[in-house]
Amino acid sequence: EDKVVQSPLSLVVHEGDTVTLNCSYEVTNFRSLLWYKQEKKAPTFLFMLTSSGIEKKSGRLSSILDKKELFSILNITATQTGDSAVYLCAGTNRDDKIIFGKGTRLHILP
Amino acid sequence: NAGVTQTPKFQVLKTGQSMTLQCAQDMNHEYMSWYRQDPGMGLRLIHYSVGAGITDQGEVPNGYNVSRSTTEDFPLRLLSAAPSQTSVYFCASSYTQGPEPQHFGDGTRLSIL
Repeated sequence: EDKVVQSPLSLVVHEGDTVTLNCSYEVTNFRSLLWYKQEKKAPTFLFMLTSSGIEKKSGRLSSILDKKELFSILNITATQTGDSAVYLCAGTNRDDKIIFGKGTRLHILP
Repeated sequence: NAGVTQTPKFQVLKTGQSMTLQCAQDMNHEYMSWYRQDPGMGLRLIHYSVGAGITDQGEVPNGYNVSRSTTEDFPLRLLSAAPSQTSVYFCASSYTQGPEPQHFGDGTRLSIL
């Protein structure tokens, strides 16, 4: 059965800290891995990764995929209180199905 | 640009009642999907559609029906609501089938008494 596992499930850090969120996957006919940020309502798209070893970067956020070891990480540097959210990781396969992990709840203390 | 619109935002039902959650998108997206989100369970795919007239089951389809008569609309029907269907429901769309990032609606919070 396909699955996506995120760790840790929750994390509390102080503003300015750097955090690393983990996502491992077992997805048959894997196609891509996606990261989303969910604050109060709808998840919003952060990154889509399809190739190993190529870092995607957007401001203080970056992400990378390792297709050999079947995992991805999301890094956030110099965290701010506005980074507090649930971060979701999802794997997609060639049958158009999308499998989400349970998310990491990140809380940034001022 | 409205994006993905879900209605209603909140609904309370009694066990055994039926209802339809509406989802509409104005981006001419081919791929649409429904998820439910429960505490500690992440997002679970209920049904999805790769285009008008085509639907398929996701991870948790039991108790739900969908149809896709137009590109814009993808309603989710609960035929006989059960307390286990209490959840937050999200509709999402993308231009094509995977691995496109999806655009999500704001969700419908549904409570079944």
